[in-house]
Amino acid sequence: QVQLVQSGAEVKKPGASVKVSCKASGYTFTSYDINWVRQATGQGLEWMGWMNPNSGNTGYAQKFQGRVTMTRNTSISTAYMELSSLRSEDTAVYYCARGQEGFDPWGQGTLVTVSS
Amino acid sequence: SYELTQPPSVSVSPGQTARITCSGDALPKQYAYWYQQKPGQAPVLVIYKDSERPSGIPERFSGSSSGTTVTLTISGVQAEDEADYYCQSADSSGTYHVFGTGTKVTVL
Repeated sequence: QVQLVQSGAEVKKPGASVKVSCKASGYTFTSYDINWVRQATGQGLEWMGWMNPNSGNTGYAQKFQGRVTMTRNTSISTAYMELSSLRSEDTAVYYCARGQEGFDPWGQGTLVTVSS
Repeated sequence: SYELTQPPSVSVSPGQTARITCSGDALPKQYAYWYQQKPGQAPVLVIYKDSERPSGIPERFSGSSSGTTVTLTISGVQAEDEADYYCQSADSSGTYHVFGTGTKVTVL
């Protein structure tokens, strides 16, 4: 079955960077975009950007431009999202989701905690 | 920046119909998608391209579109439908995706 499995929880200090991985299985990785979405505790969903695993092309939400980088390794069907210059407001669950006529399916989420 | 507006909450009795609206200026040009999220879980797609239902989603979930508003309808609400629901679409250029503010559905 189509599945996205993300890396484990992270704890980072303010100013650091975090890199979250998203491993795809059950479909051709290069045929569908990967999107990244985050959700702070008790808050709504926030779209961060997308990546085309075939071309490597990306598009980022204006809020994150300059701080986020989305990459991939096609040999292992894995997408990555790196967020730099972390601050406390970046504490959230980060999700990857396959994008094709909607975001489906989603990864299980990765909790990133930013704390001194 | 582009925004999609939803009511914060909707309450409904079991067996009744819940309707959740989502308003945005670009909705006449861009498809809308709906997601269900239960506590501690990742969102699940329940409606795509305004009114299409993915396989495995119960028939009681339906979607419609009219002008700048799209609507998710849950007919014959069941206790298991209690969750947060989010609409999602793109800006008029199709460049940026955006989620609605979210609606908490409470089954009385």
